[in-house]
Amino acid sequence: NAGVMQNPRHLVRRRGQEARLRCSPMKGHSHVYWYRQLPEEGLKFMVYLQKENIIDESGMPKERFSAEFPKEGPSILRIQQVVRGDSAAYFCASSPFGGAQDEQFFGPGTRLTVL
Amino acid sequence: DAKTTQPTSMDCAEGRAANLPCNHSTISGNEYVYWYRQIHSQGPQYIIHGLKNNETNEMASLIITEDRKSSTLILPHATLRDTAVYYCIVRVEGYKLSFGAGTTVTVRA
Repeated sequence: NAGVMQNPRHLVRRRGQEARLRCSPMKGHSHVYWYRQLPEEGLKFMVYLQKENIIDESGMPKERFSAEFPKEGPSILRIQQVVRGDSAAYFCASSPFGGAQDEQFFGPGTRLTVL
Repeated sequence: DAKTTQPTSMDCAEGRAANLPCNHSTISGNEYVYWYRQIHSQGPQYIIHGLKNNETNEMASLIITEDRKSSTLILPHATLRDTAVYYCIVRVEGYKLSFGAGTTVTVRA
């Protein structure tokens, strides 16, 4: 049973380019969460999605960032016009039910470096 | 949000028990205590969680004080592969996990 998959594992972009990060949840999981970890800091919640719906995007910057979880295919975190401050590790987690006590299973992360 | 306080770092000898403390004095009655760990360059890994009673699984034990203001994660026989950052989290608003700085645990041979 494959775990949460993220790709790419490492992504390098120049300032102003777009970054697309993909997350495939565990089989049977329909709830996806994105977190960001800046260097030397803990993970911070960004957004929570179910299939075709954004449930909570309160942790996501209002501009340049967007997320989706289509009916078919992986969840995508998209960062437009990247800046150096976007350099971080981005982790995706998934859970089966989305409940308050649902265990979240994390992927290996995508490390974004903005030059 | 209930906040947690953990020591910045601690060392542990291989084969010995590692006891990781966590203070959460503002915890509410319906908030669970979760522990995750993050081994270098990997995603966080769930360890254990509890509400009031002590809990044990194949990875660790969780001891929660009667007033619920603090807890201790116990790794019974630490190995070198247990070297990681350990996060104590009080789960608020359901799905949002709020990770602090955690405790960097170094297991030494």
